[in-house]
Amino acid sequence: AQSVTQLDSQVPVFEEAPVELRCNYSSSVSVYLFWYVQYPNQGLQLLLKYLSGSTLVESINGFEAEFNKSQTSFHLRKPSVHISDTAEYFCAVFSSGNEKLTFGTGTRLTIIP
Amino acid sequence: GAGVSQTPSNKVTEKGKYVELRCDPISGHTALYWYRQSLGQGPEFLIYFQGTGAADDSGLPNDRFFAVRPEGSVSTLKIQRTERGDSAVYLCASSSTGGSPLHFGNGTRLTVT
Repeated sequence: AQSVTQLDSQVPVFEEAPVELRCNYSSSVSVYLFWYVQYPNQGLQLLLKYLSGSTLVESINGFEAEFNKSQTSFHLRKPSVHISDTAEYFCAVFSSGNEKLTFGTGTRLTIIP
Repeated sequence: GAGVSQTPSNKVTEKGKYVELRCDPISGHTALYWYRQSLGQGPEFLIYFQGTGAADDSGLPNDRFFAVRPEGSVSTLKIQRTERGDSAVYLCASSSTGGSPLHFGNGTRLTVT
C-alpha cells in the first residue's frame, strides 16, 4: 500500500522569506510524485510533478521540489514567498500497478505581510 | 479548452434522501476518478474508471455509494440514504492515461442536514 505523510498541517511564513513544505511517501514500487495547490475557494490545481529523469522539478511560479529516493521524500521549496502563495498544498503519490493517486493531509501555507 | 465540470456545485439534502452528483471529464480522457474531501483533510480516493468499467472501487465506504460511467465519458456518483457523515466536497478528476497528472473539477459540496 502507498501512503503520503505531510507532517506540517500549517506553516506561517513572512512575505519574501523562504519556505519548505515537507512530504514523505511510502511505496514498495516505483512512483510518480505530485504537488497540488488549492487556493481559497478554488479547485485543486497541479503545481509540479516528478515522473522520471531529473530529480529536481520546478513550477512556473518559482516553486521547486526534489525527489529523494533514499529518504522517500519530495519536499516543496520556494526561496521567496508572496502573499499570492497563500493556499493549501497537497503532496500525492501514484504507484505503478496501483492506478490511483494517494494524497497527504495537506499543509496550509499562510503568508504574513 | 474545457476542464472537468461537476454539477451541481452545491447540494443540500436531508438525511435519508438519495443524491446524484455528475462529472463531465475532459474530452478524450479515458481515466476518471472520484475523491471525497472532508474539512481539514486531503482528498480520499473513492473509485476509478478506465473507460466504462470501474477498475478500482476499493475506496467506496459502503454499499450506499455507487458510481457509473455508462458511455465512458460522463460519470454519476450516487449516494443512497444519505447520512450527515456523508457531508463533504466530492471531487472528480480525469486523466489521459494512468500516471498522467489528474485534472480536477471544482467539486460538489454536499451538505446532509
